[in-house]
Amino acid sequence: DQQVKQNSPSLSVQEGRISILNCDYTNSMFDYFLWYKKYPAEGPTFLISISSIKDKNEDGRFTVFLNKSAKHLSLHIVPSQPGDSAVYFCAANLRDYKLSFGAGTTVTVRA
Amino acid sequence: ETGVTQSPTHLIKTRGQQVTLRCSSQSGHNTVSWYQQALGQGPQFIFQYYREEENGRGNFPPRFSGLQFPNYSSELNVNALELDDSALYLCASSVPSGEFYGYTFGSGTRLTVV
Repeated sequence: DQQVKQNSPSLSVQEGRISILNCDYTNSMFDYFLWYKKYPAEGPTFLISISSIKDKNEDGRFTVFLNKSAKHLSLHIVPSQPGDSAVYFCAANLRDYKLSFGAGTTVTVRA
Repeated sequence: ETGVTQSPTHLIKTRGQQVTLRCSSQSGHNTVSWYQQALGQGPQFIFQYYREEENGRGNFPPRFSGLQFPNYSSELNVNALELDDSALYLCASSVPSGEFYGYTFGSGTRLTVV
């Protein structure tokens, strides 16, 4: 039962440009959404989160947008940097701290 | 402040064997969760422990079991290993609070079943 989906397995973007990662979910009861970043041979690192009662959260170069009516969220990275090349996972939580993850999107930032 | 540490980092086992993976949670974190990440997929929730009690379980068979110790460290045990158990096993710790700040993940144990 895939409740969180990332339909783009990969994204290539030029350094300095905007990266937009998308995520869809099916369970309207999710109350927190998170983005994690993962480098090879490392565990996922928490990037940014958003509560279901908000529609935008910003932290430096990273902004997450939530559209509850469409059950869709997105992560914007501006400007993209070479160090942003990694796998990005979208995850959702049901107030019980168990996360449902998407399959991930591999971002490659080209110089 | 130390993060989440897992051991071993890599492991090769034979089908039918048993394996124990270990996790030390981040200082001050009393909740530990285990996730399985198969190749090309996102992490899948196995179970969570809070104050030494299982606090929820995902869609994994009973041969996946766990323990949490008084110091909040944890073990994941898998019996009768199958080829499909080959995956990265991630441990994550957290502190339940009114605001959800997410988990701190360890680097994982790469299990290969042959």
